[in-house]
Amino acid sequence: DAKTTQPNSMESNEEEPVHLPCNHSTISGTDYIHWYRQLPSQGPEYVIHGLTSNVNNRMASLAIAEDRKSSTLILHRATLRDAAVYYCLAAWGKLTFGQGTILTVHP
Amino acid sequence: GAVVSQHPSWVICKSGTSVKIECRSLDFQATTMFWYRQFPKQSLMLMATSNEGSKATYEQGVEKDKFLINHASLTLSTLTVTSAHPEDSSFYICSARDLLAYNEQFFGPGTRLTVL
Repeated sequence: DAKTTQPNSMESNEEEPVHLPCNHSTISGTDYIHWYRQLPSQGPEYVIHGLTSNVNNRMASLAIAEDRKSSTLILHRATLRDAAVYYCLAAWGKLTFGQGTILTVHP
Repeated sequence: GAVVSQHPSWVICKSGTSVKIECRSLDFQATTMFWYRQFPKQSLMLMATSNEGSKATYEQGVEKDKFLINHASLTLSTLTVTSAHPEDSSFYICSARDLLAYNEQFFGPGTRLTVL
């Protein structure tokens, strides 16, 4: 796994977009970029993953830098239910979690 | 789809007893499952990788004789905490990797273990 660096915390207002950054400068060519989120006392929830191209799904968008050394998870319109710890991982196979970003969403 | 269940969701046991936690992939087959533990306000720590039909691979520092892992089928892996002690109290989470989608991994809801 490549080491990832994320801000400890971020805040957003409800219905505003949120951009969660992640640095993974030591990523290897076969590592995928994964994003999960976790609510207290629950298992992580899959959000999105990608390799080189930007990805969109019903939950979020993933923007991957051209050199793949960083990526950004985009929540287009934050809701209160999006408040969670967001984990960015760069890996092929087993996933090793860092500390993640605590996202607070204000009403 | 892609649902992983764990049983039990919580368990309280006395020191010295053994506890078994089940992890099931409900709607897909998983040749590989992973076991994590998480202490309060900390991130998930990978304990071991469980492969169907073979021995588990443990991360450095994890006692394989204390945390017994069995992966007998493509949908079931079990973690047995043997001779549990209060320091084993934690949140145990499993994940399963889809046989047909190598880079997709789905997590169970977790099991809260409290050892008295």
